[in-house]
Amino acid sequence: DAGVTQSPTHLIKTRGQQVTLRCSPKSGHDTVSWYQQALGQGPQFIFQYYEEEERQRGNFPDRFSGHQFPNYSSELNVNALLLGDSALYLCASSRRTSGRTDTQYFGPGTRLTVL
Amino acid sequence: AQSVAQPEDQVNVAEGNPLTVKCTYSVSGNPYLFWYVQYPNRGLQFLLKYITGDNLVKGSYGFEAEFNKSQTSFHLKKPSALVSDSALYFCAQEGNTPLVFGKGTRLSVIA
Repeated sequence: DAGVTQSPTHLIKTRGQQVTLRCSPKSGHDTVSWYQQALGQGPQFIFQYYEEEERQRGNFPDRFSGHQFPNYSSELNVNALLLGDSALYLCASSRRTSGRTDTQYFGPGTRLTVL
Repeated sequence: AQSVAQPEDQVNVAEGNPLTVKCTYSVSGNPYLFWYVQYPNRGLQFLLKYITGDNLVKGSYGFEAEFNKSQTSFHLKKPSALVSDSALYFCAQEGNTPLVFGKGTRLSVIA
């Protein structure tokens, strides 16, 4: 049983560019959450997708957007990249039960470097 | 706003000794509490969680955590540390929003 997978592993972009990160959830999971982990910090919640809709959003600007597909996979898009967007981007999947998500399982992350 | 505090940036312990990594959480309804571990250049691995019931929760790799409502704490413990336990540990709380993480505690187990 494959766990959460993310692509690409590493990415280097320049300021002002746009980037798309991808995530495939663990089998049986229907909810995908994205987190940003800056160097030396804990992960910060970006947003969560369930039934192809954004359900909750953290304190991130509109430059950060996402999508969930019918097969539950998800994309994170970041426009107009800033140097401060350099971070490890983590995807987590879970099952939604009784209105709350069950344990979130994380992928290995995508390391984004903005030059 | 929910918050999770991990008061120690670094914890050093000798191999074979018991270890404790501290965590306190903010009170917000009935929070779910989690511990995750992160190895270098890896994502987060789930260790254990508290939802309700017994205050002592057992998890993966011999780790356990004690929920203390009066002190709003959820400390991670292991009776006998291994060198391979050296990693970055995160405490997290889920309440009205998905996971809110502490800043992490780096555990170093010295042989």
